[in-house]
Amino acid sequence: QKEVEQNSGPLSVPEGAIASLNCTYSDRGSQSFFWYRQYSGKSPELIMSIYSNGDKEDGRFTAQLNKASQYVSLLIRDSQPSDSATYLCAVNHGGATNKLIFGTGTLLAVQP
Amino acid sequence: DTEVTQTPKHLVMGMTNKKSLKCEQHMGHRAMYWYKQKAKKPPELMFVYSYEKLSINESVPSRFSPECPNSSLLNLHLHALQPEDSALYLCASSFDTGTGYGYTFGSGTRLTVV
Repeated sequence: QKEVEQNSGPLSVPEGAIASLNCTYSDRGSQSFFWYRQYSGKSPELIMSIYSNGDKEDGRFTAQLNKASQYVSLLIRDSQPSDSATYLCAVNHGGATNKLIFGTGTLLAVQP
Repeated sequence: DTEVTQTPKHLVMGMTNKKSLKCEQHMGHRAMYWYKQKAKKPPELMFVYSYEKLSINESVPSRFSPECPNSSLLNLHLHALQPEDSALYLCASSFDTGTGYGYTFGSGTRLTVV
């Protein structure tokens, strides 16, 4: 079983719709969860972090965490073509070192 | 300054060459990282430096040699690489090594080994 799993996609949504991206993780001791956006040929960019159960909103982005189900999600409201990218879920297992484990990423395509 | 700067952006090297990748940050971050990313794959951790000391080596072959000369700089020395080492090499930093800190990534060095 992979440590961090994501559906590779592509996830295709029309412009203006809500895009829902999902991630599951295997280590129950995981403490911190991050979403990165990566455009083709570019480096990952941190867009959201979440540490406790529930929802966290930042602009058009909402991160959701359910530790009991070992599940993290990212909602993008009013999706724009510029949101088209690969979204990487990253999980920190805890311990003394900030070691992030990345999922394989979900490719999001927003259709104009 | 909220950036991590990596040089060079592109590098082509032969299998007998020696080259170095450089990474610099001026955000006062105390942890720095090297990741390797192959096409359509997630970043894979190579090394972690915490307070200028190597804290994690993910069983990386010795042809990759990291160095942290000071708290702002991180180098990756390359020697006798193989074509399969061609990838995007990403440097990242975080405020500290605690679990709550997200990374800031540099723009990466795209390495091609011929």
